[in-house]
Amino acid sequence: EAGVTQSPTHLIKTRGQQATLRCSPISGHTSVYWYQQALGLGLQFLLWYDEGEERNRGNFPPRFSGRQFPNYSSELNVNALELEDSALYLCASSLRREGAFFGQGTRLTVV
Amino acid sequence: KNQVEQSPQSLIILEGKNCTLQCNYTVSPFSNLRWYKQDTGRGPVSLTIMTFSENTKSNGRYTATLDADTKQSSLHITASQLSDSASYICVVRDGGGGSNYKLTFGKGTLLTVNP
Repeated sequence: EAGVTQSPTHLIKTRGQQATLRCSPISGHTSVYWYQQALGLGLQFLLWYDEGEERNRGNFPPRFSGRQFPNYSSELNVNALELEDSALYLCASSLRREGAFFGQGTRLTVV
Repeated sequence: KNQVEQSPQSLIILEGKNCTLQCNYTVSPFSNLRWYKQDTGRGPVSLTIMTFSENTKSNGRYTATLDADTKQSSLHITASQLSDSASYICVVRDGGGGSNYKLTFGKGTLLTVNP
């Protein structure tokens, strides 16, 4: 069974640009979580989508947004990139109350 | 290949009982290991972080142990409460320097505490 897949694996952007990160959950999973892990920090919760709707978001500015498609895949968009946005962005999928399965992440570098 | 294996996959216990969750890893070189608690629909909360030199670390009713020789960690929960029902995730960081580190995630143990 394919796991959670994220693309791209690496992304380099300049300050002020926009970045789009993608996540395909495990087949059948309806929930997608997005996390940011900046250097030296633990996982920071960004967004939770379930059944196509945003259910919860963490303490991040509106520059961070996303959506979940009818096939439950998801996009994370980061507008007006800042240097501090450089981090590993992780996606996890789950089915209701089952445990979360993580993707390998997208490493975003803002220069 | 770096791997993190957690067991059991799921666990059901009665309120007030103790339980122990396991995390075995093959990540090398090793930097640190974190246990996270994730409630449904919420972001994970870091419970403990263990480095190579630490054997035991407590956070309230949660006690984590680390055996760096056998590459095993455990999370012990005492006097469980209904609010402990969650997914517990073990995450291991390798020794890569700067931004070259890698994280390896376990699949989590789903704990259900029943009244």
